[in-house]
Amino acid sequence: DGGITQSPKYLFRKEGQNVTLSCEQNLNHDAMYWYRQDPGQGLRLIYYSQIVNDFQKGDIAEGYSVSREKKESFPLTVTSAQKNPTAFYLCASTAGNTIYFGEGSWLTVV
Amino acid sequence: LAKTTQPISMDSYEGQEVNITCSHNNIATNDYITWYQQFPSQGPRFIIQGYKTKVTNEVASLFIPADRKSSTLSLPRVSLSDTAVYYCLVGEVHKFYFGSGTKLNVKP
Repeated sequence: DGGITQSPKYLFRKEGQNVTLSCEQNLNHDAMYWYRQDPGQGLRLIYYSQIVNDFQKGDIAEGYSVSREKKESFPLTVTSAQKNPTAFYLCASTAGNTIYFGEGSWLTVV
Repeated sequence: LAKTTQPISMDSYEGQEVNITCSHNNIATNDYITWYQQFPSQGPRFIIQGYKTKVTNEVASLFIPADRKSSTLSLPRVSLSDTAVYYCLVGEVHKFYFGSGTKLNVKP
């Protein structure tokens, strides 16, 4: 089946650690996105990439990094500089102006 | 940034028609209006998209007046499984403003 796969579904991070969330899509979409969602809140854009080897900061990029070495993959690293990383993270890709989301990953700081 | 304004929450009963209105006063000429549905701990799912007048699909209708400064999502005969958060989005994807959406609570 075509879609967006995020892993892991649940991830725990210790203080000072970097962690990487995986996002893979087999939809042949050019553009990919990472969003953060806090409980009871809407989605906020972290980074997006419209083409391989290029990406742009979103509204809340501080403390995060991304890479886009392949069209299918857009991993997100939550660095130790992100002081409040506990949240639900959503990866997405677009066809035209319709956005398709993965199932999300929960990150908790312990 | 094409900011949108929606009611924070709405209540309904099973079998009723639900209309959720969204304001988007600064919509640009080329912007489409798209509605998404989100269940807890899941990614949002596409419901419907339109540019003007009325659009209908198998799950919803979208009404857009001539000035396009608002839109109304209509869900016919809702069921308990329609309890979710609904987002109205305008413009290009990387400029989407999700806000808090409208939390629809369908009661038996």
